[in-house]
Amino acid sequence: ELKVEQNPLFLSMQEGKNYTIYCNYSTTSDRLYWYRQDPGKSLESLFVLLSNGAVKQEGRLMASLDTKARLSTLHITAAVHDLSATYFCAVDRNNQGGKLIFGQGTELSVKP
Amino acid sequence: KAGVTQTPRYLIKTRGQQVTLSCSPISGHRSVSWYQQTPGQGLQFLFEYFSETQRNKGNFPGRFSGRQFSNSRSEMNVSTLELGDSALYLCASSGGTSGSAGELFFGEGSRLTVL
Repeated sequence: ELKVEQNPLFLSMQEGKNYTIYCNYSTTSDRLYWYRQDPGKSLESLFVLLSNGAVKQEGRLMASLDTKARLSTLHITAAVHDLSATYFCAVDRNNQGGKLIFGQGTELSVKP
Repeated sequence: KAGVTQTPRYLIKTRGQQVTLSCSPISGHRSVSWYQQTPGQGLQFLFEYFSETQRNKGNFPGRFSGRQFSNSRSEMNVSTLELGDSALYLCASSGGTSGSAGELFFGEGSRLTVL
């Protein structure tokens, strides 16, 4: 059974600091996604990583994928309060979309 | 381009009742999938429909069912509601083929409370 594990589950950061969220998964997959969820809201797609070594950046967030290690990272650079949210990684088991297995989520709080 | 639309947004039911939730995908998307989100279990996959056929199914009891229409709109139904069915139900659409990136676009969700 495919399992997706994130760590840490809770992260309290100060503005301006850097940190990394880790996403490990248990079986082979070439597709990994990162989503953001604000309280009471839906999921917003952040990154789609489709191959080993993929790296994508958007603003202060950068995501990477190592399929051999079954590991993805979401790196936060110089955090700002607006980044406070819950971040989920998800793995596509079938490589055809639709069925994603999500990690537990990392609740990020950025404090001034 | 319109996003994924879910109705209703909020609803309250009592135990034993049934509920139907509706989802209209992004135009051109053929895959619609449903997820349940609860504080305790997180985000769990319910099922996926592609071209009116259930393509994948999660580990939920038979009380949870769904269907997809020829215009790709989808409905999910939960019968004999239990307190534990209280959750945010999210619908997502995607292109649905192996040639697509498989990125899911989520609707705002239907928040179900069972009393």
